[in-house]
Amino acid sequence: GIQVEQSPPDLILQEGANSTLRCNFSDSVNNLQWFHQNPWGQLINLFYIPSGTKQNGRLSATTVATERYSLLYISSSQTTDSGVYFCAGHQGNMLTFGGGTRLMVKP
Amino acid sequence: SQTIHQWPATLVQPVGSPLSLECTVEGTSNPNLYWYRQAAGRGLQLLFYSVGIGQISSEVPQNLSASRPQDRQFILSSKKLLLSDSGFYLCAWSAGGPEQYFGPGTRLTVT
Repeated sequence: GIQVEQSPPDLILQEGANSTLRCNFSDSVNNLQWFHQNPWGQLINLFYIPSGTKQNGRLSATTVATERYSLLYISSSQTTDSGVYFCAGHQGNMLTFGGGTRLMVKP
Repeated sequence: SQTIHQWPATLVQPVGSPLSLECTVEGTSNPNLYWYRQAAGRGLQLLFYSVGIGQISSEVPQNLSASRPQDRQFILSSKKLLLSDSGFYLCAWSAGGPEQYFGPGTRLTVT
């Protein structure tokens, strides 16, 4: 199986700041997803990004599959961005999650 | 559009009692269905997945079982709960492709 590692494990930001979250995966993955888990536990799909760059509002993601990493960029952070961010790599029917980055955005 | 439901939302059960958690998907046919568990707020672990009615694959041997009695229904069960079964249980679906979508989850506390 594959292994997925995320960094940093915890991050505290002041509202309005930018941040970059990193996801490294050990073997070739077919596809990669980024999720945001809100304080109520709901996992919200952010990006399905096997390679390349995608943007959605203040969030963007880049996956470099050949170098086995993906980055999630959050710009102009807001308090509602708080929660845990997970990346997860696909291999067949298996989706393997990283340990997550817990983000707290302070007003 | 597709929606996924889970119930109950929260559950408190004594050790040794049975368990039944239900997941249903609307707006799609023949989805792949998945059960995950999350302990201590981090790290989701895949428990079971199903590619069709009656077809269940187990990823982690444990005290739990899964069944798929209907195309869009996935059930997680246990005959006798253990303390270690406590956690947040999430159901997910995919439309045959790799991208998965998650339900709201069930928070289980075994006392």
